[in-house]
Amino acid sequence: GAVVSQHPSRVICKSGTSVKIECRSLDFQATTMFWYRQFPKQSLMLMATSNEGSKATYEQGVEKDKFLINHASLTLSTLTVTSAHPEDSSFYICSASSGQLYGYTFGSGTRLTVV
Amino acid sequence: GEDVEQSLFLSVREGDSSVINCTYTDSSSTYLYWYKQEPGAGLQLLTYIFSNMDMKQDQRLTVLLNKKDKHLSLRIADTQTGDSAIYFCAENFGNEKLTFGTGTRLTIIP
Repeated sequence: GAVVSQHPSRVICKSGTSVKIECRSLDFQATTMFWYRQFPKQSLMLMATSNEGSKATYEQGVEKDKFLINHASLTLSTLTVTSAHPEDSSFYICSASSGQLYGYTFGSGTRLTVV
Repeated sequence: GEDVEQSLFLSVREGDSSVINCTYTDSSSTYLYWYKQEPGAGLQLLTYIFSNMDMKQDQRLTVLLNKKDKHLSLRIADTQTGDSAIYFCAENFGNEKLTFGTGTRLTIIP
């Protein structure tokens, strides 16, 4: 079946540094990738939608200059958290769509801790 | 905007059936989904139902959709300890974006 690989699974970084999270579709081409943020014991909050070769569409309230998304190929999207602060600590999850409405596949998530 | 609600917690004895409920406000969804999330992991698609269907069964899982009441449920038969997780319902409105419910934490009682 469709597999999405997300790395790293866990990262601890110092305040003020930047962190890059990768999301790869391993056995299919992902026309669209989504980035979510999940706070403890809460649901997923969509941050942005990225389509290959074009700029990401950010949800209201999400700072595009802080959360940089690049979707340079049909198999790779990256989320870079720039100048990270402790309030950016969260669980980040990507998902990829092959264009079929029932074809969403999620990565395993990245636990970001900013100290 | 879209609003998808779930009960936060459900406890079920091992071997019994679990029924997880979801209510939504926007009836224009195309597909509705059930996802499972284990601790520290991503989401695993369990099943989905097209909005013109009333019921879908897949092994131990049965999905019921009541469009009139805007109610979606997931029944897990013969619940096992491995079913302990958080279950999310989600709606899709044809634009590829998913709206997730608040999640239900299922606890299995031995």
